[in-house]
Parts: sequence; C-alpha cells; structure tokens
Amino acid sequence: EAAVTQSPRNKVTVTGGNVTLSCRQTNSHNYMYWYRQDTGHGLRLIHYSYGAGNLQIGDVPDGYKATRTTQEDFFLLLELASPSQTSLYFCASSGDRGRGTEVFFGKGTRLTVV
Amino acid sequence: GDSVTQTEGLVTLTEGLPVMLNCTYQSTYSPFLFWYVQHLNEAPKLLLKSFTDNKRPEHQGFHATLHKSSSSFHLQKSSAQLSDSALYYCALSASSGSWQLIFGSGTQLTVMP
Repeated sequence: EAAVTQSPRNKVTVTGGNVTLSCRQTNSHNYMYWYRQDTGHGLRLIHYSYGAGNLQIGDVPDGYKATRTTQEDFFLLLELASPSQTSLYFCASSGDRGRGTEVFFGKGTRLTVV
Repeated sequence: GDSVTQTEGLVTLTEGLPVMLNCTYQSTYSPFLFWYVQHLNEAPKLLLKSFTDNKRPEHQGFHATLHKSSSSFHLQKSSAQLSDSALYYCALSASSGSWQLIFGSGTQLTVMP
C-alpha cells in the first residue's frame, strides 16, 4: 500500500513563530498535497505540487508557503504562525490527478498555535 | 464552482441497524464521486468510488449509488458494526475543477452497542 509519512505528528508553537511540516512519500507519485482539516469545513486544499520544484495554489493558501524539493519530499511552511492556523494538517499523494484517481493520505500533524 | 454537501455532521445509531449517510453535489460536468473514511488517529483512506459504467461500488459491506438525476451519492450499509464508527467524507473530482478533489464537511458516524 502507498506510504505517506508526516513529521512531526504533533507540534506546539507560539503566535508569530516559524513552523515547518514535513512529508515524504515513497510511492513514486507525481502529485503531492497539503490539506487542513477543521470541524465543519472538512478537508481543504492549501497547496499542491506535480513535481520537484513545482508549486500550485489551493483553496486556502493565505499564510502558508510550500516547497517540493524532490519527488518524495513536500514541506509546508508557516512563517508567522497565527492561532487561526491551529488545525490538523494532512499530506497526501497521488499518481495522477485525473479521473477517479485515488489519493493516499498520511496520518496527519496536529499543530497548535498558542 | 463544484461543491459537495453532507447535511449530517453527526450520526449516532445502534449496532445492527442500517446506515445511510447523505451526500449531494454540484458540478458542471459529470464528476467522479468518492467516499473516504477516517478512523480515529488514522489517515483518511478511500472506501469506494463511482464507476463510469454505472456499476454500484461496494466495499466492506458499504455501497453507494450515483444518481445523476438527483446529484446524489449516498453511502449505505445494511447493518452497522461498532468498527464502522469513523469520520466519513464524500468527495468529487471533475474536469470543471481541473480534477481537484473537493471534499464535503464530513459526517461523524458513531455506532453504539
């Protein structure tokens, strides 16, 4: 089964702090995604990438940067963290972005901004 | 734009009773529909997805029927098990949205003994 690994699994930071969430997939997938999960909103796409060096904006990108350094590694950066960014973050990958393609998720990183 | 609506945020029922979780959608073009399931402290994973040939997808006792006339893809199971307790997401993917996976707000299913 496809593997997506996120680190850290839990993180607490202060308002205005700098945070980097890491994600690695070993599926040789082209596409990687960052979602945030909030009660009442479901999963919302922050950024995604279709290859090393590529970055696409999702639906809720404000306050987030992302970087895809290799096919395997995708990072989410919060440079001035705010309490509104307290959430559960999921990284995911897929081989394609076409019809009926399955997306594989990591177990999530719980971020708390105090 | 494309959207998915799950009207029930929380569903609680007794083991052995039937399950039906509602999902309706809006899309300009014929989308693919999915159900993802997320157990506590686990990653969301695909439960089932619609077929292009109108076959009914089934997995682990769950099934869903795509009704284009009513834009619905409700999830059903004849008899709930305790292990079915989880967060369920309906999602769609369509060419009108560049095949981006769009999720509903999710339904938390709790099955009681």
